[in-house]
Amino acid sequence: GAGVSQTPSNKVTEKGKYVELRCDPISGHTALYWYRQSLGQGPEFLIYFQGTGAADDSGLPNDRFFAVRPEGSVSTLKIQRTERGDSAVYLCASSLNPPSGGETQYFGPGTRLLVL
Amino acid sequence: GQQLNQSPQSMFIQEGEDVSMNCTSSSIFNTWLWYKQDPGEGPVLLIALYKAGELTSNGRLTAQFGITRKDSFLNISASIPSDVGIYFCAGRRIQGAQKLVFGQGTRLTINP
Repeated sequence: GAGVSQTPSNKVTEKGKYVELRCDPISGHTALYWYRQSLGQGPEFLIYFQGTGAADDSGLPNDRFFAVRPEGSVSTLKIQRTERGDSAVYLCASSLNPPSGGETQYFGPGTRLLVL
Repeated sequence: GQQLNQSPQSMFIQEGEDVSMNCTSSSIFNTWLWYKQDPGEGPVLLIALYKAGELTSNGRLTAQFGITRKDSFLNISASIPSDVGIYFCAGRRIQGAQKLVFGQGTRLTINP
């Protein structure tokens, strides 16, 4: 079956612009996660959705970052007033309903964001 | 920031050699995971460990959950060219928590 898909695969923008990154999780997965991976580093957690609600947004770096998942499937990560330091690969992952916290997270290929 | 210290940062080995990498933390972790990431792709889960002392294998890969719950290691036996990539350890600190904390990665290069 289809895995996690992310669009666009690459995004180049100018400092100060607004960007939206989209994630399509695996069908039937109720949990969705966003991570950010800087060059040469491991992914860093941003936000986790269970269904439509953000269950943990403790990783969002500041209020320029916002994510939604209005129908409990597709999610959009929104970044306002982009800064050069926002340049990174933004990874999305999904998992089955994780009542015990042990479910495997399946990652998408990521969106490579470059802020000039 | 990162809470897991992964070493070594990079390895250059000959095909057929065994590989060992490890991950340590100053905090106790509830779950340890090992992922592999290829260029342009997201991380793919290799092995998951849920109990202190647990030793789990997946083909030529073997990983262990440290007794102190503050460390884990991954071994790869008889390396082959397709083992090239970046290996990440990851963990969950709290029972029931969803977010993963990742190490900085170990870049494995294999000389044929």
